[in-house]
Amino acid sequence: DQQVKQNSPSLSVQEGRISILNCDYTNSMFDYFLWYKKYPAEGPTFLISISSIKDKNEDGRFTVFLNKSAKHLSLHIVPSQPGDSAVYFCAASRGGTSYGKLTFGQGTILTVHP
Amino acid sequence: GAGVSQSPSNKVTEKGKDVELRCDPISGHTALYWYRQSLGQGLEFLIYFQGNSAPDKSGLPSDRFSAERTGGSVSTLTIQRTQQEDSAVYLCASSPYERGPTDTQYFGPGTRLTVL
Repeated sequence: DQQVKQNSPSLSVQEGRISILNCDYTNSMFDYFLWYKKYPAEGPTFLISISSIKDKNEDGRFTVFLNKSAKHLSLHIVPSQPGDSAVYFCAASRGGTSYGKLTFGQGTILTVHP
Repeated sequence: GAGVSQSPSNKVTEKGKDVELRCDPISGHTALYWYRQSLGQGLEFLIYFQGNSAPDKSGLPSDRFSAERTGGSVSTLTIQRTQQEDSAVYLCASSPYERGPTDTQYFGPGTRLTVL
């Protein structure tokens, strides 16, 4: 069963506009959430994370929002740049020693057009 | 500095053969993780090593899968009697673990395994 789902396989936005990537999860035991970015032929690289005690975390152009009641998180990129074009994965983990055991979604391909 | 490296980058094997996949973590990183990504799926946790603790093997899909980490550095993932459903990209990640299990995981480029 897919405990972390990214229902949009792809997203296309114009440079300078906002990109919103969405992720849903089913396991209510998850309490740590992350976003990773992946370029072709490279491994995923960490972008931003959020703990379940927060509902928002910002880092420069990237903001992650967490809605625990809806079991939903989203990544906002403002403004979007062509270099942001990549596959974006959301991930989640449970607490304690399980924090490092990440469960990933299938990924969303973001294309930012100049 | 050097990132996580994995070898081979691609591996094609015949059903029933054994394969070994290698991971060289970032120097000094005490935690090492293996994941795999099957077609159309997200990354799936397989196993992780932290320091001298016993590895957490809870994600290994069957007893055909095993992994070891020698000297707290290089790790080898072994798949015995490969099956076609083992075809996937196998990714390794390492972490300094300075902040514990929430510390950032740094991924290698992966090994694409194809079982014919």
